[in-house]
Amino acid sequence: EPEVTQTPSHQVTQMGQEVILRCVPISNHLYFYWYRQILGQKVEFLVSFYNNEISEKSEIFDDQFSVERPDGSNFTLKIRSTKLEDSAMYFCASTEDAAEGEQYFGPGTRLTVT
Amino acid sequence: AQRVTQPEKLLSVFKGAPVELKCNYSYSGSPELFWYVQYSRQRLQLLLRHISRESIKGFTADLNKGETSFHLKKPFAQEEDSAMYYCALGGKLIFGQGTELSVKP
Repeated sequence: EPEVTQTPSHQVTQMGQEVILRCVPISNHLYFYWYRQILGQKVEFLVSFYNNEISEKSEIFDDQFSVERPDGSNFTLKIRSTKLEDSAMYFCASTEDAAEGEQYFGPGTRLTVT
Repeated sequence: AQRVTQPEKLLSVFKGAPVELKCNYSYSGSPELFWYVQYSRQRLQLLLRHISRESIKGFTADLNKGETSFHLKKPFAQEEDSAMYYCALGGKLIFGQGTELSVKP
């Protein structure tokens, strides 16, 4: 069964550094998402992406964040200058149908900013 | 504002007991509601959605628009049901805090 994959599983970085989190969505899916979960808190929507552009973003997704689909398979989340409060699990998800379809989640990348 | 509330952080029951995980939502339109589950060391996965009105692994959830609720129920809990359960609203999913269900033998 096809799965969403994410790399790396764990990333440690210093405050102020740039990080790129990578995701490979399921191949026939058209809608892609990033979520994050700070330890002990709820899963929060960051951004949705369709047809090579951002379709919706949350207040969390400020100018420090960007997303890209650099080729036909990868979907990346870049944090330009990491802060301590960016430490969280970051989940990628994809779906065929944005309105009612099941979102398939990746295993997550744990980002630790020191 | 769109919001999902799961009032219980932890729900502990014995095997064979009924279980109800509560979910209330705030949404002005016609909501799309989902329950996602995360078993230990596994990824988030869809358990059920309100539009399908089906029972998955013995779980059901009914949308009550009057009470703005979408509670998840199972008549007889099993040990393998132990997991984190998240209620979620909408296409860009708005998640509740999650409820950890622990089913004791």
